[in-house]
Amino acid sequence: AQSVTQLGSHVSVSEGALVLLRCNYSSSVPPYLFWYVQYPNQGLQLLLKYTTGATLVKGINGFEAEFKKSETSFHLTKPSAHMSDAAEYFCAVRANTNAGKSTFGDGTTLTVKP
Amino acid sequence: DTGVSQNPRHKITKRGQNVTFRCDPISEHNRLYWYRQTLGQGPEFLTYFQNEAQLEKSRLLSDRFSAERPKGSFSTLEIQRTEQGDSAMYLCASSLAGGPNQPQHFGDGTRLSIL
Repeated sequence: AQSVTQLGSHVSVSEGALVLLRCNYSSSVPPYLFWYVQYPNQGLQLLLKYTTGATLVKGINGFEAEFKKSETSFHLTKPSAHMSDAAEYFCAVRANTNAGKSTFGDGTTLTVKP
Repeated sequence: DTGVSQNPRHKITKRGQNVTFRCDPISEHNRLYWYRQTLGQGPEFLTYFQNEAQLEKSRLLSDRFSAERPKGSFSTLEIQRTEQGDSAMYLCASSLAGGPNQPQHFGDGTRLSIL
């Protein structure tokens, strides 16, 4: 079984500041990890994914995440926040024994202040 | 790539009525997923298909819920005898087969409101 915990349901940063959204996972088998962004009344858009190989993953819109097995974490960062980054962000895990479902965290709402 | 399309975008109905939602996946994707999302929570898995075969169903999918993908293309999700607790956003996603590294592409969802 897999689970995801996103620490902090709301994060607020100033424009130009570092964005850090936290995600910890639990999985009995090697995980596949994903970050998605959701704007109001829209579906989820993939930001980046970790499958195997390099632990630092770069995604779209300047976001990146680092897989740390020892800490069971997959935190999302962006060096400089932009107003357009304001949205809800979801971390998800899929086990390589089950190609079907993704298990999502409860999300973190990012607010960017001018 | 026209993306995943869901219809209708919004559905308002009275408790006890039946509703049906449709999902058209990306054309070359043979996997199709249904999720439910309530306010303040992440999407919860309901079921998924590979081609026309329904391969997994969540315990969340009570016997009032049924999903079909008759020709391996579009899918429908029907809820019978709707209840207040069914109010949620219903999301459809599709992907290529080939393992969990294949990302899921999501539609914009159908928001269901039960009066």
